[in-house]
Amino acid sequence: DAGVIQSPRHEVTEMGQEVTLRCKPISGHDYLFWYRQTMMRGLELLIYFNNNVPIDDSGMPEDRFSAKMPNASFSTLKIQPSEPRDSAVYFCASSAQQGYNSPLHFGNGTRLTVT
Amino acid sequence: GQSLEQPSEVTAVEGAIVQINCTYQTSGFYGLSWYQQHDGGAPTFLSYNALDGLEETGRFSSFLSRSDSYGYLLLQELQMKDSASYFCAVRDEPNSWGKLQFGAGTQVVVTP
Repeated sequence: DAGVIQSPRHEVTEMGQEVTLRCKPISGHDYLFWYRQTMMRGLELLIYFNNNVPIDDSGMPEDRFSAKMPNASFSTLKIQPSEPRDSAVYFCASSAQQGYNSPLHFGNGTRLTVT
Repeated sequence: GQSLEQPSEVTAVEGAIVQINCTYQTSGFYGLSWYQQHDGGAPTFLSYNALDGLEETGRFSSFLSRSDSYGYLLLQELQMKDSASYFCAVRDEPNSWGKLQFGAGTQVVVTP
């Protein structure tokens, strides 16, 4: 299995620009998560989907952030407009509903820098 | 509020044993997980405890005491490649597989 695939690996953009991060989960996994990692706040959950349906988006910072999962093999996280404080590593992760122990499988992340 | 407390850094020599403690205060508890993250890399799953006691996986073991809201990760026979950050994480909802509250992480530095 190829694991969770994220693109791009690095993104540098100017404040005010739109940024789109992409994720392909592991085939067969029912859950998809978007996490953000910063030095100040650590790993924090932004949103997660179950069977392509958003379940909990309470971690999404504000209306500038949106996420979609149009099918079981693809998800996007969009920031519009981007701000310097959005600079972070964004991880996508997936897991299978196999019982109470369903580890997260993380992608390699997208390092976003907003100048 | 919800919190997970773990030490920020631990330094040890190759071959030694390191214990990383994690105390948690969360609205619900449905298991404690541990993840390893090397610099610039993705977090990877190490272990999971839903019930009290010790779980052993090779050189790594994890322990949980639900009555004390406490767990630890034990790294034995330390190797240089074990230098990484280690995160404890709590699942605080019963049916949300993988929705985790993460601690701030413990950086383990292994010296020769």
